[in-house]
Amino acid sequence: GQQVMQIPQYQHVQEGEDFTTYCNSSTTLSNIQWYKQRPGGHPVFLIQLVKSGEVKKQKRLTFQFGEAKKNSSLHITATQTTDVGTYFCAVPNNYGQNFVFGPGTRLSVLP
Amino acid sequence: EAGVTQFPSHSVIEKGQTVTLRCDPISGHDNLYWYRRVMGKEIKFLLHFVKESKQDESGMPNNRFLAERTGGTYSTLKVQPAELEDSGVYFCASRAFGSETQYFGPGTRLLVL
Repeated sequence: GQQVMQIPQYQHVQEGEDFTTYCNSSTTLSNIQWYKQRPGGHPVFLIQLVKSGEVKKQKRLTFQFGEAKKNSSLHITATQTTDVGTYFCAVPNNYGQNFVFGPGTRLSVLP
Repeated sequence: EAGVTQFPSHSVIEKGQTVTLRCDPISGHDNLYWYRRVMGKEIKFLLHFVKESKQDESGMPNNRFLAERTGGTYSTLKVQPAELEDSGVYFCASRAFGSETQYFGPGTRLLVL
């Protein structure tokens, strides 16, 4: 079945530092989604990327879809304590009906 | 507009007992999903409803799990009998037809002792 990996598993940064998480798929993707889950909370949809090489920005967050549509990245500029949480990528399953979530990257931001 | 709601928020039961989780999706959302996250691991897909029909139940662990969505509105997920490995957070999500956005509920934290 569809496999998706995320690195790193954990990341500790000082407030103000940048952060990047990477998502890699074993197959070419039609699209990819990113979610954020705060500690004790529930996943919240951030964005969907569809086009090869696509770059989208949301304030301090930059999302990129690889040219080969097999990988994606989420970059946060100048992290804040409110960025703490686990960031998941999600990719369509083999039938394209549902999504397979990556294992997530847990971000800690030290004030 | 009300979001996805789930009940109960927490449930602690003993091995062998039965538990029923409920999800109320956002009104008008035809697509309803159940997921489970165990011990801080990845979010695993359980099943997907389109209205009252099961579109995909390939993620259901075994026949101790039964999901229903009568009338295409709210959904229930019953675990009978519960086992220790069923502990985790069960999330429900809903999505409107034609939209890519899934809206997750707050989850039900299930602990089987």
